[in-house]
Amino acid sequence: AQSVTQLDSQVPVFEEAPVELRCNYSSSVSVYLFWYVQYPNQGLQLLLKYLSGSTLVKGINGFEAEFNKSQTSFHLRKPSVHISDTAEYFCAVIARTSYDKVIFGPGTSLSVIP
Amino acid sequence: ETGVTQSPTHLIKTRGQQVTLRCSSQSGHNTVSWYQQALGQGPQFIFQYYREEENGRGNFPPRFSGLQFPNYSSELNVNALELDDSALYLCASSTSRSGGPKNGELFFGEGSRLTVL
Repeated sequence: AQSVTQLDSQVPVFEEAPVELRCNYSSSVSVYLFWYVQYPNQGLQLLLKYLSGSTLVKGINGFEAEFNKSQTSFHLRKPSVHISDTAEYFCAVIARTSYDKVIFGPGTSLSVIP
Repeated sequence: ETGVTQSPTHLIKTRGQQVTLRCSSQSGHNTVSWYQQALGQGPQFIFQYYREEENGRGNFPPRFSGLQFPNYSSELNVNALELDDSALYLCASSTSRSGGPKNGELFFGEGSRLTVL
């Protein structure tokens, strides 16, 4: 079974400052990793995904994430945030070899302060 | 815009009642998953359907049931509603080779917000 931990439930950051949202996972098998964003009163939208290859993946809206297998982490970063980045961010994982469910973390609420 | 549509968007029920939520998958997607998202929490997996059969279930009681139709649309039914069933219910569609989301990528609808009084 897999599990996902997001250590920060809330992250306030000033506009144009950099941000990192942390994600750690636990799994006995290889996994695919994802970050989803949820704006208020909306469903989830895929930001980026790691399937294989380069450990640094780039997504939409200027976000990127780095897969670190030894630390079982997949932290999300953005060098300069905008007010419109205020949202809930969810890290998610699925085992590569199973046709099982996607497991989501509890989420991190990013608040960008003008 | 994911092409996944859910209805209704909001509804209010009372304890003990039954509810049916509907989902229309993105064109070409043959797998649908349902998630429950309580306020302030991440989505929790309810179940998944592939080719009209349930092929995965989370830790939810049998009063949560579902259907997938030949056109890949889906329903989530909840019987004997409890106060704790109040949540946003998310439907997600995906392509699949053998029953699970291909590469794990899910395409979500905007959800149905259920309030149980």
